[in-house]
Amino acid sequence: EIVLTQSPATLSVSPGERATLSCRASQSVSSNLAWYQQKPGQAPRLLLYGASTRATDIPDRFSGRGSGTDFTLTISSLQSEDFAVYYCQQYNNWPPFTFGPGTKVDIK
Amino acid sequence: EVQLVESGGALVQPGGSLRLSCAASGFTFSGHWMNWVRQAPGKGLEWVANTNPDESVKNCVDSVRGRFTISRDNAKNSLYLQMNSLRVEDTAVYYCGRGVNWAVDSWGQGSLVIVSS
Repeated sequence: EIVLTQSPATLSVSPGERATLSCRASQSVSSNLAWYQQKPGQAPRLLLYGASTRATDIPDRFSGRGSGTDFTLTISSLQSEDFAVYYCQQYNNWPPFTFGPGTKVDIK
Repeated sequence: EVQLVESGGALVQPGGSLRLSCAASGFTFSGHWMNWVRQAPGKGLEWVANTNPDESVKNCVDSVRGRFTISRDNAKNSLYLQMNSLRVEDTAVYYCGRGVNWAVDSWGQGSLVIVSS
């Protein structure tokens, strides 16, 4: 089973600033990685798949990079609605699909 | 608009059974892999199971193998999760999710299952 590690666990950012989140896989997942956003009391929302392809209606301030074992999600200029928990998920070696433990982005 | 609506969550005793349902609309249900993903209170996401469009392939995480069964009825645009021999650690919100490009691109609002005596 592929284990995903996310860092940091919590990221405190001021509105308008840039946020960079990291996801590392225990073995290569090629580019088969997705990112999700989850706000309190809501279902997750798909942001990116294929490591860097934005899902439908996702604003271009969200971008992803990486392949193999190291990936980043960047939010170029944080808006108030972006404060949430972000999860990465691999779908290269499955079952099972696996998720990282999440990074909480909160207001500094 | 894609809609997924889960139902069937409840409080159940350890060892008990429960069947979750997910009603899908707004897309061609029979053309998509479908997933169940759960989230224990205050915890992260855990993929539980999925099935392919014609139900010929079913996969699940080791922790539920032999206890949970995923199924679907394409004529009714519905996905199911039969959960037997429930354990306290199965307590979670269970989400139904549509698979696209192997990611989960649409999610229901979730159904809460509490396993407790």
